[in-house]
Amino acid sequence: EAQVTQNPRYLITVTGKKLTVTCSQNMNHEYMSWYRQDPGLGLRQIYYSMNVEVTDKGDVPEGYKVSRKEKRNFPLILESPSPNQTSLYFCASSPPGLAGGGETQYFGPGTRLLVL
Amino acid sequence: RKEVEQDPGPFNVPEGATVAFNCTYSNSASQSFFWYRQDCRKEPKLLMSVYSSGNEDGRFTAQLNRASQYISLLIRDSKLSDSATYLCVVSRSNQFYFGTGTSLTVIP
Repeated sequence: EAQVTQNPRYLITVTGKKLTVTCSQNMNHEYMSWYRQDPGLGLRQIYYSMNVEVTDKGDVPEGYKVSRKEKRNFPLILESPSPNQTSLYFCASSPPGLAGGGETQYFGPGTRLLVL
Repeated sequence: RKEVEQDPGPFNVPEGATVAFNCTYSNSASQSFFWYRQDCRKEPKLLMSVYSSGNEDGRFTAQLNRASQYISLLIRDSKLSDSATYLCVVSRSNQFYFGTGTSLTVIP
């Protein structure tokens, strides 16, 4: 089954304790992306990757890191989480678009993060 | 100014009604346009892409007006299962920009 998986689905942590949220897709997509969703703000792009070893900042990259060592995996790293990073996080993947604007995105089920 | 703006609603409509959602985007260089559906904080799922010529998928019709930078979604013969939040999305230069969503509740 074609899918995007994220782990963990739920996470409670404390300020400053490094964490990683994994994302994996089995559709051989080149494009992968991370979003956070907050009430009243919608989904905002954190980082995206056009292909292996190519990553770029989205609208809200501060406090996050990513890596793309393999095509299928795109982990999100919070080196020193803070309470303002409490949010619902989605990973997504997409085949490349004709105009570089991206095609349909397939989202993972989301990770609910609470930073105390 | 926000990249994508939508009326948050909520829209409460009876079954069988026709409902229209609108969305505007601020950057004329935007390249691709989509409507996604999101159920109760679950993952967004693509409803349809939007083309300048307009496109229809069953009860759903989407329109794009590049001159006015305006995107619309029309839902005919609303079903209870259409209750969800509808997200307007534009992409440009490999980035995606989401509206905050319009909430729809279809009432029996």
